[in-house]
Amino acid sequence: GEDVEQSLFLSVREGDSSVINCTYTDSSSTYLYWYKQEPGAGLQLLTYIFSNMDMKQDQRLTVLLNKKDKHLSLRIADTQTGDSAIYFCAESIGSAGGSYIPTFGRGTSLIVHP
Amino acid sequence: DAGVTQSPTHLIKTRGQQVTLRCSPISGHKSVSWYQQVLGQGPQFIFQYYEKEERGRGNFPDRFSARQFPNYSSELNVNALLLGDSALYLCASSSQGSGYTFGSGTRLTVV
Repeated sequence: GEDVEQSLFLSVREGDSSVINCTYTDSSSTYLYWYKQEPGAGLQLLTYIFSNMDMKQDQRLTVLLNKKDKHLSLRIADTQTGDSAIYFCAESIGSAGGSYIPTFGRGTSLIVHP
Repeated sequence: DAGVTQSPTHLIKTRGQQVTLRCSPISGHKSVSWYQQVLGQGPQFIFQYYEKEERGRGNFPDRFSARQFPNYSSELNVNALLLGDSALYLCASSSQGSGYTFGSGTRLTVV
């Protein structure tokens, strides 16, 4: 099965909060990331959290990490139409060589309607 | 500062041909990673290079190869192209332990 799982679609009304959920399998994950991809574009890093943290807030974005359940969520407050995009969750594990290689989920397509 | 730059942006190749994709990392970043993103899927890891050495390899056939140059730029080569190699190829650069910054990708179409 997938190492990182996400629901495929989320539809919200403009101004509401969006919550995108992700589960991962590797308990030794060191970094967990959220990326945004707009149509025809590359991936934009939104935020990342170290595995020894349980919450990180950055303006409208709040990341919650439940390490026991291997569950990561991204909350977007006051969602705008410009937030419509695909959101990818990724985990990475440190290797002996010191590199961190993110493994991505399939992405959640967020649709914001007026 | 320029971000991660990739060239070309679009490419059409015929089955059996070979292709070379190029990536320049953010200034100061010594690590470059390559990902393949098929339509509707998340990016799949192909290679990671750090200081010109291969640090990781994903589950891709030997037709895929890469290298990193002394200026930390990188090339991804794919030989004997198949229709299934059609995808967006993404390059990412990073400094030790930080998040990865992605380029806009090269859209490869194999016909």
